[in-house]
Amino acid sequence: QVQLVQSGAEVKKPGSTVNVSCKASGGTFSSYAIKWVRQAPGQGLEWMGDFIPFFGTANYPQKFQGRVTITADESTSTAYMELSSLRSEDTAVYYCARGGGALEYWGQGTLVTVSS
Amino acid sequence: DIQMTQSPSTLSASVGDRVTITCRASQSISSWLAWYQQKPGKAPKLLIYKASSLESGVPSRFSGSGSGTEFTLTISSLQPDDFAAYYCQQYTNYTYSFGQGTKLEIK
Repeated sequence: QVQLVQSGAEVKKPGSTVNVSCKASGGTFSSYAIKWVRQAPGQGLEWMGDFIPFFGTANYPQKFQGRVTITADESTSTAYMELSSLRSEDTAVYYCARGGGALEYWGQGTLVTVSS
Repeated sequence: DIQMTQSPSTLSASVGDRVTITCRASQSISSWLAWYQQKPGKAPKLLIYKASSLESGVPSRFSGSGSGTEFTLTISSLQPDDFAAYYCQQYTNYTYSFGQGTKLEIK
């Protein structure tokens, strides 16, 4: 059974950078894209980008281009999401998820709080 | 960008009711649509993929239909465990976007 385990909650200052990790177990890590989705308090879900380990390529929506970087380390089956130039509106729960299109497996979520 | 619009935003219903949630895409997405259930403090759970395929382990009271730009999620007989938020998601051309969600409340 596939499991995705994310790193713990973070509190960051505006303008700083956060790095969230997502360690996968079960299944073949390189076979599927890892996507990152965030959810602001009381709000809906927002796709931030994804990484396809097999090709080593990342894909970002225009809204996050230049501010988010998604990478993966196949040797440890871990994906990373780095978000820079943090602002208060980035306060959210950040999820990693696996799937080609529909997202079958999700991490437990990582709360990132941006506050001065 | 493909915009996904769900309706209603909130739905009040009783145990045993049949309920339907609608999701509309701003352009055709063929059948590349998924539905998720999310409970407070938890990650979303995949219910339906490719518009009408039931994810393994999901009760058969959940069903999905539609293609192109209009889709529906139907719960045939609401159970107490079904009161949650529901989201649709499109996945075409390596882009992914979600509807704003529908909160299903107990009447």
